[in-house]
Amino acid sequence: NAGVTQTPKFRILKIGQSMTLQCTQDMNHNYMYWYRQDPGMGLKLIYYSVGAGITDKGEVPNGYNVSRSTTEDFPLRLELAAPSQTSVYFCASSYPGQEVYGYTFGSGTRLTVV
Amino acid sequence: QKEVEQNSGPLSVPEGAIASLNCTYSDRGSQSFFWYRQYSGKSPELIMFIYSNGDKEDGRFTAQLNKASQYVSLLIRDSQPSDSATYLCAVKNSGNTPLVFGKGTRLSVIA
Repeated sequence: NAGVTQTPKFRILKIGQSMTLQCTQDMNHNYMYWYRQDPGMGLKLIYYSVGAGITDKGEVPNGYNVSRSTTEDFPLRLELAAPSQTSVYFCASSYPGQEVYGYTFGSGTRLTVV
Repeated sequence: QKEVEQNSGPLSVPEGAIASLNCTYSDRGSQSFFWYRQYSGKSPELIMFIYSNGDKEDGRFTAQLNKASQYVSLLIRDSQPSDSATYLCAVKNSGNTPLVFGKGTRLSVIA
């Protein structure tokens, strides 16, 4: 059971480049989330999804896009990368009604924009 | 804007002591409260979940919730160097609303 898998683990982008952060879960969780974590800070919600075909903005969605075509996958797209997007990105998933188990987090993607 | 406030620390305690971590939240509609532990360079992992006023104990960890004061805390008894990490408080409303995280408190347990 792999849980939540994020790729890549590390990436350096130049300003203006684009990339997609991949996130896949094999637990049949309906809910999936993208958070970013800046140094010394907590997690800020970028986008989330409660099921295939449904996405919603979080606290900091500008500069990002998401899609949810399947239950398993929730990719995060960065268009026109900016230095302010340098951060660690965490994907997470959960199952409705199972709050006691919290979120299952991926191992994170460390992104640097130069 | 829903806010979750934590003292960023660092909080330093000697080995064997009780570490007390505090968290306040702004949204009175919050229903569920979580404590996550995050080691440096790693992803957060859930250590406690509480939704009723009062205390909840799990091994060396005790979560305390006071909804009237909008306050949740985590006590770690017999602190060990392996407890040194950042502790994130997270809060959730009912339904499918996502967790809102605080900035975390960095705990250092000195051997």
